[in-house]
Amino acid sequence: ELKVEQNPLFLSMQEEKNYTIYCNYSTTSDRLYWYRQDPGKSLESLFVLLSNGAVKQEGRLMASLDTKARLSTLHITAAVHDLSATYFCAVDMPTTQGGSEKLVFGKGTKLTVNP
Amino acid sequence: SAVISQKPSRDICQRGTSLTIQCQVDSQVTMMFWYRQQPGQSLTLIATANQGSEATYESGFVIDKFPISRPNLTFSTLTVSNMSPEDSSIYLCSVLTSGVTNEQFFGPGTRLTVL
Repeated sequence: ELKVEQNPLFLSMQEEKNYTIYCNYSTTSDRLYWYRQDPGKSLESLFVLLSNGAVKQEGRLMASLDTKARLSTLHITAAVHDLSATYFCAVDMPTTQGGSEKLVFGKGTKLTVNP
Repeated sequence: SAVISQKPSRDICQRGTSLTIQCQVDSQVTMMFWYRQQPGQSLTLIATANQGSEATYESGFVIDKFPISRPNLTFSTLTVSNMSPEDSSIYLCSVLTSGVTNEQFFGPGTRLTVL
């Protein structure tokens, strides 16, 4: 059974500081997503990571994937208040034929950026 | 990406009744999914909506409680049957888009409160 663990679950940051959210998963997978969710809203796709060593950046957010360690990171650079949201990683549930496209989500990291 | 709409956006229902949620996407997609997000929690996959055949349910979810239809490649419905307060959640549909990179996008969600 695939398990996905995120940490920390809660993160309070000062503006302009850097921090990293971690996502560990228990079995080999072909695909990992990072999503953002604002209160009362749906999920916004941030990144999809497909291969070992993949790194993607968008603005102040950078995501990376190490499939050997079964670890993805979401790094926040020089945080601003607008980044306050809950961030989820989600991992594609594997099957004997490969990826299933069924996602198993981490519990989410609630990020608060304080002025 | 895909433009996904859900109806209703929210509803308040009485115990013992049923509610059908609709999910419409603006292009044909092969895979559609239904997820549940209980208050303050992460997302859990309910089932894969298969076009032209019965949905595939995840452990802990059954067809009698969550019947699903998928009459074509752009539309699906999820019914929450014989509701109880424990069914109060956000229900989200998602679609897998194909292209250079397959990516999964989420609808805006339906916020259900059961009294």
